[in-house]
Amino acid sequence: GAVVSQHPSWVICKSGTSVKIECRSLDFQATTMFWYRQFPKQSLMLMATSNEGSKATYEQGVEKDKFLINHASLTLSTLTVTSAHPEDSSFYICSASRYRVASGRRHEQFFGPGTRLTVL
Amino acid sequence: AQKITQTQPGMFVQEKEAVTLDCTYDTSDQSYGLFWYKQPSSGEMIFLIYQGSYDEQNATEGRYSLNFQKARKSANLVISASQLGDSAMYFCAMIVDNAGNMLTFGGGTRLMVKP
Repeated sequence: GAVVSQHPSWVICKSGTSVKIECRSLDFQATTMFWYRQFPKQSLMLMATSNEGSKATYEQGVEKDKFLINHASLTLSTLTVTSAHPEDSSFYICSASRYRVASGRRHEQFFGPGTRLTVL
Repeated sequence: AQKITQTQPGMFVQEKEAVTLDCTYDTSDQSYGLFWYKQPSSGEMIFLIYQGSYDEQNATEGRYSLNFQKARKSANLVISASQLGDSAMYFCAMIVDNAGNMLTFGGGTRLMVKP
């Protein structure tokens, strides 16, 4: 159990276009979903945290108007990169969290396989 | 604020030998959890092992064990009997109960297993 999918797995787009990335928890309801960005040879950087039905909380330095996050249900969150530019090219990873009191791994996050975005 | 430090940007290990990947952390909270993830070149994040701050015994998962030294705030990952498939990036991460489910990642260590 605890599978998270992302779609698409890779995308190439022209500068100025918008790209939508979907993150789905397939077999559980996620209390919270997270979006990360990872540049080559670097660690994961948290972009935003979202809870179903409420506005996302963005990390400092992340433009909320550029990276639109919609969390419409307990199993789906989307990240839209608006007016993408070459500097937005990166690996975007989502994760989904569920609270499990009985387990030692409280708040464990389950990661999607990632989406590689290349903006030409 | 939480901080995770991985001081080894890259490491080599001979196949079948054991290797230790270092991780130190900093938090003022008493209730927290420590994770290790493996990221192969495909990019997926693979969960390896978890240690809770109140766990008295070191966590073990197959060939992975976590050397948890709470007083030193270290949570080193030990991989026994290295295999070629272990070559990947390894990330140490921490979650604090009072910090909204957020994972804080270290900078990562690239492990390369030599045949």
